Amino acid sequence: SQQGEEDPQALSIQEGENATMNCSYKTSINNLQWYRQNSGRGLVHLILIRSNEREKHSGRLRVTLDTSKKSSSLLITASRAADTASYFCATDYGQNFVFGPGTRLSVLP
Amino acid sequence: GAVVSQHPSWVICKSGTSVKIECRSLDFQATTMFWYRQFPKQSLMLMATSNEGSKATYEQGVEKDKFLINHASLTLSTLTVTSAHPEDSSFYICSARDGGAGNTIYFGEGSWLTVV
Repeated sequence: SQQGEEDPQALSIQEGENATMNCSYKTSINNLQWYRQNSGRGLVHLILIRSNEREKHSGRLRVTLDTSKKSSSLLITASRAADTASYFCATDYGQNFVFGPGTRLSVLP
Repeated sequence: GAVVSQHPSWVICKSGTSVKIECRSLDFQATTMFWYRQFPKQSLMLMATSNEGSKATYEQGVEKDKFLINHASLTLSTLTVTSAHPEDSSFYICSARDGGAGNTIYFGEGSWLTVV
């Protein structure tokens, strides 16, 4: 299976703290993307990072990619209660686009 | 921005009937479309990949006779759940790859299927 892994599976933090989620994958990729999903809803695209990039920022989000370790991390700074959701990494292998198991983030007010 | 429309958003059907879910790319031509299934509190599992005009490629363990995928045009793919059973109840979501925009992938909003 090409599906990678994410950790932690669940993360609970206080508002204002930073949240870090990690994603690992198994084979070479074209790019890696992070998505957010609120309960019972569709996916919201957060950031795409290409295989030749190492870090990208978008607002309070920072994504890193280490192709030598086949891993990526998503950092959410100064978290808010509205950030409570499931976060998935998805790896684009060209023909396939595969999701990790996700991290359920709870930000407590 | 590019939009992928998925319809219906919610559907309830009786056991034994078939239900069709549509996935449309509204302002781009989708060279490839993907169908996923998601159980509560789990990740999205790729069911199949479809390229316009050719047969879908199904992932291991996905019954191609039960989940019929048709990608008849560059803007439309359909997933038909045949002879639905309660265990088919799930969240189904499609995505489409825009070959003309750096191969960017866009997702539909998903379809909730409940089989009673």
